[in-house]
Order: sequence, then structure tokens, then C-alpha cells
Amino acid sequence: QQQVKQSPQSLIVQKGGISIINCAYENTAFDYFPWYQQFPGKGPALLIAIRPDVSEKKEGRFTISFNKSAKQFSLHIMDSQPGDSATYFCAASVETSYDKVIFGPGTSLSVIP
Amino acid sequence: DADVTQTPRNRITKTGKRIMLECSQTKGHDRMYWYRQDPGLGLRLIYYSFDVKDINKGEISDGYSVSRQAQAKFSLSLESAIPNQTALYFCATSEPGANVLTFGAGSRLTVL
Repeated sequence: QQQVKQSPQSLIVQKGGISIINCAYENTAFDYFPWYQQFPGKGPALLIAIRPDVSEKKEGRFTISFNKSAKQFSLHIMDSQPGDSATYFCAASVETSYDKVIFGPGTSLSVIP
Repeated sequence: DADVTQTPRNRITKTGKRIMLECSQTKGHDRMYWYRQDPGLGLRLIYYSFDVKDINKGEISDGYSVSRQAQAKFSLSLESAIPNQTALYFCATSEPGANVLTFGAGSRLTVL
């Protein structure tokens, strides 16, 4: 029930295309859903996050879509660029319980010219 | 300088050796965490500390111990390293009321 599933494991997208990464969770107590971006040799860094009271959040080329009834959320990267090549982790948590951030297994994104 | 600094960045050791990974932060955050990253498994919580006198086990604490020497310092120890502890280890911090983790650059540990 604590698991966060993420797919695909790896993704290759051409420059200018749309990258889509999907995640699913089981625990209905989760109320905060961040995405972290990790470049090689670096630690993960918060990219964008959403709470379940909205169905979509957009920041620049990055959009989270959230489907509460299906317990699914996804990250869309519009106009993907080579600089977006990184590993992306979705996560879920109960916002007031900082010890309970559950990460997905990660998606390695490669954006090719 | 990085907000969260981990040392060493890379370490190769042998089975049975004691290893300490150190973390220091300049964020002023009370909350500190140790995570382990393995391919295909994401990040899993080993230990966390909400202040100097508070230490808590995470999902995968067996075989690890921690010490919170000061608000800014949190170290992870492997008393007797084994090969399946070969992984990338991350220290992270957060502040109360903000569910955002700030990670260090990681410590890659190889146990032969």
C-alpha cells in the first residue's frame, strides 16, 4: 500500500517532442505528490509538485496531471530539450509526515537532437 | 559552497570494514535524512533525525547506524560492510512546514 509505481523505466524522446512519465499509488492518505529531477553526479532536486485538490499544475514546460479517482499522476515535459535528459522520480507523501516520502523507482529520460 | 555536503564522494572498501559517510548542511534545517539509491528501486529511507536528540529508523535501517553530532551534521555508519550495501547514498534536509527535500550530491560506496 506504500508503494509508488512509475513507468516507463527509460524513455528516449526527440528534441521538441513530449515526454510523459506515469506514476500510480495505493495509499489514499497521500496528499502531496512531488517530482524530483536528478542529473548525473548530482542529488535529486525538486522540480514540481501537486496537491490532490487540483487536477493539473503547470510550471513552464513541465506539467503534472493528477487523477485522484484513479490514484495516478503524470509528468509531461513539453518541447523536450537535451538539457532535460535526467532521471525523474515521482514521489508521494502525507504532507505533515516528512518521514513517509515514498519514491518511485525512477525514469531515465534521454532527449536526442 | 553546496547547501548539503557529503564526504567522501566515492569510497571503495572491503567486506567487514567499518565505513562512515558524513553529511553537513548550511541550510539551518533541523530535519536530516539518509537515503539509499539503487537502480530500479528509487530512493529508500535509511534513518532520519528531526533534531539533535531525535533519531528514527527508516524503511531499511538494518546494517546501518547514524549519529547526529550537531544540528548541521549527520553521519551514517556501516559497522561491517557487506557487498549488498554497494549503492549511492544521499543525505537530505528539510525544514518544518515545508515538504521539500534538499539533497547532497551523493556518496558512492562500493563494497568488494
